[in-house]
Amino acid sequence: DTAVSQTPKYLVTQMGNDKSIKCEQNLGHDTMYWYKQDSKKFLKIMFSYNNKELIINETVPNRFSPKSPDKAHLNLHINSLELGDSAVYFCASSQTALSGIQYFGAGTRLSVL
Amino acid sequence: EDQVTQSPEALRLQEGESSSLNCSYTVSGLRGLFWYRQDPGKGPEFLFTLYSAGEEKEKERLKATLTKKESFLHITAPKPEDSATYLCAVQASSAAGANNLFFGTGTRLTVIP
Repeated sequence: DTAVSQTPKYLVTQMGNDKSIKCEQNLGHDTMYWYKQDSKKFLKIMFSYNNKELIINETVPNRFSPKSPDKAHLNLHINSLELGDSAVYFCASSQTALSGIQYFGAGTRLSVL
Repeated sequence: EDQVTQSPEALRLQEGESSSLNCSYTVSGLRGLFWYRQDPGKGPEFLFTLYSAGEEKEKERLKATLTKKESFLHITAPKPEDSATYLCAVQASSAAGANNLFFGTGTRLTVIP
């Protein structure tokens, strides 16, 4: 049973489209994250939610909008996709907001053409 | 500004050839230093947490150590299954986003049979 699962695994789309990535964790954790990993493998945090509330919002274009319907789910919606959005997006969770021990999903590889 | 630098960028070892990976960090108030392993096409997987200088943690062929400025991941007699990218991350005690993990760009380790 996968602890942190995200869908889809691959996403290929045209510039200007809107797309969503879904994430679910079955670990009972309070905190969930979205990270972006670029082509140089640099992993950078985008958002963090604790018990459905946004606690970290790094400098990310407002075309990216996270939504947490409950503490087990954190989805990422991206409007007006640009070429530079191409990357691998990882969802993660941790037991508390202060824990650095995070459990990652397998990633969603987004390719914007 | 918080910074994490890992070296070397890539490392090729013969099976059984021990070596060390380096993680240098600059952070205002270290809350913890974390080592993760990332296999191709997968999300990072937690390995170790170190909290204070002098601390050491071991797991099978891996041993992580911490000083005030850097951490080492020592690999003793590696096997091909140890091939992966090893990521170092620091968590700072800053007021904003105290659970942020700042990741380095990783060391890609290849162990040749």
